[in-house]
Amino acid sequence: DTGVSQDPRHKITKRGQNVTFRCDPISEHNRLYWYRQTLGQGPEFLTYFQNEAQLEKSRLLSDRFSAERPKGSFSTLEIQRTEQGDSAMYLCASSLEGQRGSGNEQFFGPGTRLTVL
Amino acid sequence: KNQVEQSPQSLIILEGKNCTLQCNYTVSPFSNLRWYKQDTGRGPVSLTIMTFSENTKSNGRYTATLDADTKQSSLHITASQLSDSASYICVVSYKNTGFQKLVFGTGTRLLVSP
Repeated sequence: DTGVSQDPRHKITKRGQNVTFRCDPISEHNRLYWYRQTLGQGPEFLTYFQNEAQLEKSRLLSDRFSAERPKGSFSTLEIQRTEQGDSAMYLCASSLEGQRGSGNEQFFGPGTRLTVL
Repeated sequence: KNQVEQSPQSLIILEGKNCTLQCNYTVSPFSNLRWYKQDTGRGPVSLTIMTFSENTKSNGRYTATLDADTKQSSLHITASQLSDSASYICVVSYKNTGFQKLVFGTGTRLLVSP
């Protein structure tokens, strides 16, 4: 499967614990995005990377959230001291920017569903 | 404020029937509009993409229309199948400081009943 993959698919944790999610983008894609989606809502942008550089962060990304893409390939999203309000689906997407004909389309992974008890 | 609104919120139709989903947006500067299908517990998958100059785009039984003057789009599903049951999300993108930012609608949840 050459699409975007995310791990784990589901995570249940207790309030106050730290969690880390992983995203593996489509291999040649240079941009990677994180979104959060709550039930009945569309995804909301959190942050994105161009290669290994984190270029923009949403105000939704509180200081308890940190994302990395150390080698410009896979990315991790860590949430520290989780709160019940963090319960959501965390979606990762990737795109190929700067190449004619790529359309800049973002391809989404299956998501990680986080439940904070 | 950049917003995308969709209607109806949910819809139930019988298998084999047609349906039309609506999307209104106030996003500027407009770059393109996509319709995504999102199965429960899965990530969104792109169905169609339209730029400013395109009025209609088809992908099998899915046909999307765009009226850039009124800032409205529709997604028409023909001869619905049980596998069409999903959320359909309208997404409008605009260029913002280096990358195309996506504005998502809240989706229309479609249930195709046998």
